[in-house]
Amino acid sequence: QKEVEQDPGPLSVPEGAIVSLNCTYSNSAFQYFMWYRQYSRKGPELLMYTYSSGNKEDGRFTAQVDKSSKYISLFIRDSQPSDSATYLCATRTQGGSEKLVFGKGTKLTVNP
Amino acid sequence: ETGVTQSPTHLIKTRGQQVTLRCSSQSGHNTVSWYQQALGQGPQFIFQYYREEENGRGNFPPRFSGLQFPNYSSELNVNALELDDSALYLCASSWTGSTDTQYFGPGTRLTVL
Repeated sequence: QKEVEQDPGPLSVPEGAIVSLNCTYSNSAFQYFMWYRQYSRKGPELLMYTYSSGNKEDGRFTAQVDKSSKYISLFIRDSQPSDSATYLCATRTQGGSEKLVFGKGTKLTVNP
Repeated sequence: ETGVTQSPTHLIKTRGQQVTLRCSSQSGHNTVSWYQQALGQGPQFIFQYYREEENGRGNFPPRFSGLQFPNYSSELNVNALELDDSALYLCASSWTGSTDTQYFGPGTRLTVL
């Protein structure tokens, strides 16, 4: 079993739709949770970063963490064509080498 | 912009050759991590350097090695290249001991023929 599971999609939605992206993880030692956005042939760009269970909102983006079910989500409201990218969930433990463990990424296309 | 830069942008090598990839970390960050991202996959952790010493390694063979320098620059060296080494190589900088996360550079795309 992979440490972080993420449906690779692809996911195609119309402009203005609400997008839901999800990951599950297996290691209860993971304490920090991130969502990165990666445009084609570019490096990952940090979108959201959370530590505890609950919701964190930043503009049109909401990150949700449920540690009891080991489930993390990213919601995008009023999606735009510029949101078309691959979204990577990532997590890490507290301390140690701080290596990030990534999901495979979900490729999202928002159609005008 | 994260302030993390990488060079070269892309390069092509043949099997058996050696390659050196370079990274310049964000100013003030004392830790650099390297990741390999194969096509259609998430990044995989190669290793991390903290204060010029290796501080954790993923499941990669010893032919993957690195260096970190005091001026916030670092290198990833790969010897005896194999076809499966073709990937996007990413470096990420961070400040060890903080709760902050890692910030990635644009990557170097390596093709091994």
